[in-house]
Amino acid sequence: DTEVTQTPKHLVMGMTNKKSLKCEQHMGHRAMYWYKQKAKKPPELMFVYSYEKLSINESVPSRFSPECPNSSLLNLHLHALQPEDSALYLCASSQDEGNTEAFFGQGTRLTVV
Amino acid sequence: GESVGLHLPTLSVQEGDNSIINCAYSNSASDYFIWYKQESGKGPQFIIDIRSNMDKRQGQRVTVLLNKTVKHLSLQIAATQPGDSAVYFCAEKGVSRGSARQLTFGSGTQLTVLP
Repeated sequence: DTEVTQTPKHLVMGMTNKKSLKCEQHMGHRAMYWYKQKAKKPPELMFVYSYEKLSINESVPSRFSPECPNSSLLNLHLHALQPEDSALYLCASSQDEGNTEAFFGQGTRLTVV
Repeated sequence: GESVGLHLPTLSVQEGDNSIINCAYSNSASDYFIWYKQESGKGPQFIIDIRSNMDKRQGQRVTVLLNKTVKHLSLQIAATQPGDSAVYFCAEKGVSRGSARQLTFGSGTQLTVLP
């Protein structure tokens, strides 16, 4: 099983809403990632969790709040987003932070209105 | 800053021909490289990887070549099929901010397979 599952697939939210994106993997991977991808652009790293601890925060605004409740789950809590935050949010996992392949989920298409 | 870039943003090939997608990287500390395929509306799909102690690696219909001297990476797809039409990203992993390792993506190449 090399699957990373993200929910929901699509999300429309207002600028005053609070919502959460969820990511799950059962490959026993200990590194998990959040990426943001705008149309026709490459994915941009937001956060890295290693062994359930935040190891990288790429200067992401505080309106994005990651959480890693256990080794299989990764959440991204959203609050007071702006329309320019509309994008495809991708979750990925890898065995660890070393030289191992990273597997991506299908993403959550987020639209902020 | 360090970056991973691609020579061509678009590539069109005839079905059955071979495709070559190129990528230049600038971080000399990069020691692990991955090629991803991304179809419209989907997440990136792992194709093949290569470590810096190798210069060639082959998979099913795909070959990755690494030239560390000129910091160049290429993906060769044999007998290109319509299902190969997608955006292809190279990505590199290297040390950033001390021991933290990040996977950084290049700008992508849109491959279109013509009938």
